[in-house]
Amino acid sequence: EDKVVQSPLSLVVHEGDTVTLNCSYEVTNFRSLLWYKQEKKAPTFLFMLTSSGIEKKSGRLSSILDKKELFSILNITATQTGDSAIYLCAVGSGAGSYQLTFGKGTKLSVIP
Amino acid sequence: ETGVTQTPRHLVMGMTNKKSLKCEQHLGHNAMYWYKQSAKKPLELMFVYNFKEQTENNSVPSRFSPECPNSSHLFLHLHTLQPEDSALYLCASSQDWRDTQYFGPGTRLTVL
Repeated sequence: EDKVVQSPLSLVVHEGDTVTLNCSYEVTNFRSLLWYKQEKKAPTFLFMLTSSGIEKKSGRLSSILDKKELFSILNITATQTGDSAIYLCAVGSGAGSYQLTFGKGTKLSVIP
Repeated sequence: ETGVTQTPRHLVMGMTNKKSLKCEQHLGHNAMYWYKQSAKKPLELMFVYNFKEQTENNSVPSRFSPECPNSSHLFLHLHTLQPEDSALYLCASSQDWRDTQYFGPGTRLTVL
């Protein structure tokens, strides 16, 4: 059975701090790893990673995938209160499969 | 209107009621999904439709009945639900199985 584990489950930081969120996975026929941010309801897409070692960056957020060690990290630098959210990691596996396996998420709280 | 929309946003129903959730996507995608998000659990995929054909049904109880009349619209018909079915129901769409899934705002369902 495919498995995605995120850590930590929750995190409280002060504005300006840098945070690293972790996602490890065990799946058959890995295809892609996705990060989403869920603030109130709708998860919003952040990154899709398919290749090892290539950093994807968007503003203060960046992410990288290690397919050998089966994990990904999401970094947020100079955190702001607007970064407070649940960050979800999901892994797609199998050719032709629509299934995404999600982790439980990391709840990030950024306090002023 | 753009993206993925869902109605209603909130729904309270009794166990003997029949109701329907609606999802519409304006992204020109071919695949649509229903997910269930319960507290402290990962998102669970319920159903997938591709070009109006159901491709995945993850052992969902028959009290949940999906309908996909075309590639832009997806319904989830609910009848004789249980209190443990209370959750956030999220709709998503993607171009095909390899692509990023984009989520709607969800329907918060409470079963009394």
